[in-house]
Amino acid sequence: GQQLNQSPQSMFIQEGEDVSMNCTSSSIFNTWLWYKQDPGEGPVLLIALYKAGELTSNGRLTAQFGITRKDSFLNISASIPSDVGIYFCAGRFQGGSEKLVFGKGTKLTVNP
Amino acid sequence: GAVVSQHPSRVICKSGTSVKIECRSLDFQATTMFWYRQFPKQSLMLMATSNEGSKATYEQGVEKDKFLINHASLTLSTLTVTSAHPEDSSFYICSASWTSYGYTFGSGTRLTVV
Repeated sequence: GQQLNQSPQSMFIQEGEDVSMNCTSSSIFNTWLWYKQDPGEGPVLLIALYKAGELTSNGRLTAQFGITRKDSFLNISASIPSDVGIYFCAGRFQGGSEKLVFGKGTKLTVNP
Repeated sequence: GAVVSQHPSRVICKSGTSVKIECRSLDFQATTMFWYRQFPKQSLMLMATSNEGSKATYEQGVEKDKFLINHASLTLSTLTVTSAHPEDSSFYICSASWTSYGYTFGSGTRLTVV
């Protein structure tokens, strides 16, 4: 199935650093979602975006719905060890069905 | 709110047997439920979409006779892996849609076929 282009694939950072990851698509989306998945668990929703240009924060996390509706980014500020995990973007096509398309994930490692 | 319970979390079965995985929305009615499969170090791949009271819509390449989906109520969907083989071993995750734009995932089921 179709997937989003998510980058980077992995990141190794020091505790306290800021992190940024993004997703792009060749198609227009009407919803962007960011999830975090820990090993052996299902994805947990971090931030949901529903309008182009929307900028939403959830604690140290900030995400934006790109103006073109074809991209989104997620920033994590002042990273801590528990931020370790795999982050997925997911989107829903404009005018499409309810199903989501997922990025390939960004694996984040935070060194204490 | 919007909690999805998936059971079992882990299951080991013998080759040739069938395994049923349940996905329940605990505090909301799910208009649509989705079943995903995830291989190690890979993203989630949608297997099928199910709506209460109707047949599931399977993604291309997914065998509907192998992966039986039943969405009998607005709070329960089941995935049955029939005649399981070792290549069916994987992490299966369900998701429930609680509005037009809200999606909550279960905690996943690790299936090992021996």
